[in-house]
Amino acid sequence: NAGVTQTPKFQVLKTGQSMTLQCAQDMNHEYMSWYRQDPGMGLRLIHYSVGAGITDQGEVPNGYNVSRSTTEDFPLRLLSAAPSQTSVYFCASGRGANEKLFFGSGTQLSVL
Amino acid sequence: SQQGEEDPQALSIQEGENATMNCSYKTSINNLQWYRQNSGRGLVHLILIRSNEREKHSGRLRVTLDTSKKSSSLLITASRAADTASYFCATDAKGAQKLVFGQGTRLTINP
Repeated sequence: NAGVTQTPKFQVLKTGQSMTLQCAQDMNHEYMSWYRQDPGMGLRLIHYSVGAGITDQGEVPNGYNVSRSTTEDFPLRLLSAAPSQTSVYFCASGRGANEKLFFGSGTQLSVL
Repeated sequence: SQQGEEDPQALSIQEGENATMNCSYKTSINNLQWYRQNSGRGLVHLILIRSNEREKHSGRLRVTLDTSKKSSSLLITASRAADTASYFCATDAKGAQKLVFGQGTRLTINP
């Protein structure tokens, strides 16, 4: 039972490049979410999904896109990377937003 | 803006002492959760307390919730060096399907 798997662990991008952060869970959780963590800012919610085919915006959605075609996967796309998107990104899943979340180990992203 | 605010931002105590962290939030909630994050790692769930509960225990952890004051506290008793981590509270506002985190308390246990 792998839990929540995020790839890659580290990534360096140039401004304007696009990329996809992968997130997969094997716990059959309906709820999945993406957070970014910046020093002194705690975790901020980017996007979340309450089930396959359903996504919604969190606190800081601009510059990011998500889709949920399967229960297991919830990729996060950076459309045109900017230095302000340098952060650590965490994916999480749970049975619902009002239940405990299981977190992946994070992706450290640097945008130059 | 973030829903929860932890206090203090940083706390340093001696091993064996008790550590208390506080969390305040702004809107009515379904429940409040506490998470721990070791340096460079993902968050780990510690405890969930529902809005109709006032106190909950799990091992050396005690969580209280005061919905009238919109606040919660996390008490770690008999602290150990392994408790050194950042601790976050998180809330899901009523009617919302999203869990919002505070900025965290950085706890250091000195041997």
